[in-house]
Amino acid sequence: AQSVTQPDIHITVSEGASLELRCNYSYGATPYLFWYVQSPGQGLQLLLKYFSGDTLVQGIKGFEAEFKRSQSSFNLRKPSVHWSDAAEYFCAVGLYSSASKIIFGSGTRLSIRP
Amino acid sequence: NAGVTQTPKFQVLKTGQSMTLQCAQDMNHEYMSWYRQDPGMGLRLIHYSVGAGITDQGEVPNGYNVSRSTTEDFPLRLLSAAPSQTSVYFCASSPYERYSNQPQHFGDGTRLSIL
Repeated sequence: AQSVTQPDIHITVSEGASLELRCNYSYGATPYLFWYVQSPGQGLQLLLKYFSGDTLVQGIKGFEAEFKRSQSSFNLRKPSVHWSDAAEYFCAVGLYSSASKIIFGSGTRLSIRP
Repeated sequence: NAGVTQTPKFQVLKTGQSMTLQCAQDMNHEYMSWYRQDPGMGLRLIHYSVGAGITDQGEVPNGYNVSRSTTEDFPLRLLSAAPSQTSVYFCASSPYERYSNQPQHFGDGTRLSIL
């Protein structure tokens, strides 16, 4: 069955430090992959997406993610975090080669240490 | 502003009451969906629709009904609310095409408490 795993429930990093959030997926075909961010009390905002082509994708707010087929991973990175990056981050995979029907990981909550 | 509008934003119900959560989008998107978000479980798909008159079940459909009479609206009905349905509900929409690369747009959510 298709699934998305985010192994880290909660991560705390210092402001200015680098960040990597892990995401592993299980899907037989070529996946459509997404990272969304949710600030407290808000809806979800798309950070970036991967469909095909270059395996390193750039998103908004200085985030990037790298698709590694051999590891079934799509980890999110940022070289230097800001206090405003504190939020919950969700990895998701689109099913049936479509961005419409997607399933989400359980999320990683990011806290920023001043 | 264009987007996905959910109403109400907050609601408290008693066990056994019925309720309809409203969702409307003005982007002419074919695909609409409902998710529930619970702590530690991410977002789980309840029901979805690929166009007017067409709906299907997601991962957790029990206790919920949907209909899609127009492209714009996709209401979610709880016929007899249960405490296990206490959650935050999100509606989303997107264009629907095979190999579509248009991601979903999400509403701001409805926070529902069942007492």
